[in-house]
Amino acid sequence: DVKVTQSSRYLVKRTGEKVFLECVQDMDHENMFWYRQDPGLGLRLIYFSYDVKMKEKGDIPEGYSVSREKKERFSLILESASTNQTSMYLCASGGGTYTEAFFGQGTRLTVV
Amino acid sequence: SQQGEEDPQALSIQEGENATMNCSYKTSINNLQWYRQNSGRGLVHLILIRSNEREKHSGRLRVTLDTSKKSSSLLITASRAADTASYFCAPDDSSYKLIFGSGTRLLVRP
Repeated sequence: DVKVTQSSRYLVKRTGEKVFLECVQDMDHENMFWYRQDPGLGLRLIYFSYDVKMKEKGDIPEGYSVSREKKERFSLILESASTNQTSMYLCASGGGTYTEAFFGQGTRLTVV
Repeated sequence: SQQGEEDPQALSIQEGENATMNCSYKTSINNLQWYRQNSGRGLVHLILIRSNEREKHSGRLRVTLDTSKKSSSLLITASRAADTASYFCAPDDSSYKLIFGSGTRLLVRP
């Protein structure tokens, strides 16, 4: 059974903290993605990676960075968390041409 | 990659009825994918249709693709309460990115 696992289901952090969201996949996929989802705004792409140590900005990269040191792990980093980063964060892997993407269960982050 | 625009934004039907939702996109594609999201969860892949296909079936799902109109539709037949979810399309133009729109929120009333 294929799996994309996000490290936390719910997370509460304080403003200004550095926050790490971890995502691990067991399908040997090259592509991995981070999205955030807010009511009425759909899924917005933050960053994606098409290979180890390769990354590209998505539509809303400001305030975020990513790390992909190993193929199976893609981390999203909030350098200094702010309340407007309170959101649902979704990780996905796969999704190359003619192939489907697999999603993690999501991390609901609240920044207070 | 490009974003698909789903329509309608919300749809409410009675159990047993059919549900149709549409997706429009702007430039040529290699394939188009449909996903479902149950409340508060990750997305689940439903079906992929290639640009040279016009129609595809999977169980109670029927997807059509009209590349001349740059549009796709997802039909769910004989809907069930468990079909209540948000549905997203993702047009793939063979870039690495997968871009999603705001989705269609489907409510199936028992």
